[in-house]
Amino acid sequence: EPEVTQTPSHQVTQMGQEVILRCVPISNHLYFYWYRQILGQKVEFLVSFYNNEISEKSEIFDDQFSVERPDGSNFTLKIRSTKLEDSAMYFCASSPVTGYEQYFGPGTRLTVT
Amino acid sequence: RKEVEQDPGPFNVPEGATVAFNCTYSNSASQSFFWYRQDCRKEPKLLMSVYSSGNEDGRFTAQLNRASQYISLLIRDSKLSDSATYLCVGSSGSARQLTFGSGTQLTVLP
Repeated sequence: EPEVTQTPSHQVTQMGQEVILRCVPISNHLYFYWYRQILGQKVEFLVSFYNNEISEKSEIFDDQFSVERPDGSNFTLKIRSTKLEDSAMYFCASSPVTGYEQYFGPGTRLTVT
Repeated sequence: RKEVEQDPGPFNVPEGATVAFNCTYSNSASQSFFWYRQDCRKEPKLLMSVYSSGNEDGRFTAQLNRASQYISLLIRDSKLSDSATYLCVGSSGSARQLTFGSGTQLTVLP
């Protein structure tokens, strides 16, 4: 069964450093998403991406964040200058054109020290 | 402003019990609804979509009432493996982004 994959599973970084989180969505899906979940809190939408551009973003997704689909398979989230409050699980998700269901990757745990 | 509200629980039930979860939503523009389950420190996994006509998948039954803006999930004959956090989720916007509830924690006891 096809699934979304994410790397790394855990990333530790120092405040102010740049991080890139990587995702490989399900191959025939065309909608891609990033969500985050701070420990003990609910899952929050960050950004959606369709047809090679951002289609929607939340208030959390400020100028420190960017997304890219550098090739036909990868989907990345970059945080330019990490803050302590960026520590969270970051989930990538993808969705087919024909349905609204989203399928999540296993997540990257980001720890900013 | 909470858009999807759930009773956080915890619900502790014996194996074989029937348990029901409820959820309300405030965004009437929400297009689709889902139940996801999330195990500790894992990703949300799609359990089922929710339709106004009601839908059943084995021991799980979901129902949507758009007039009351209310969603439910019923689990029959609960198993130990059903222990998880159940997330009520709405989809809205042109990008179909998901809005998650805080989740209801279920523990099925032997």
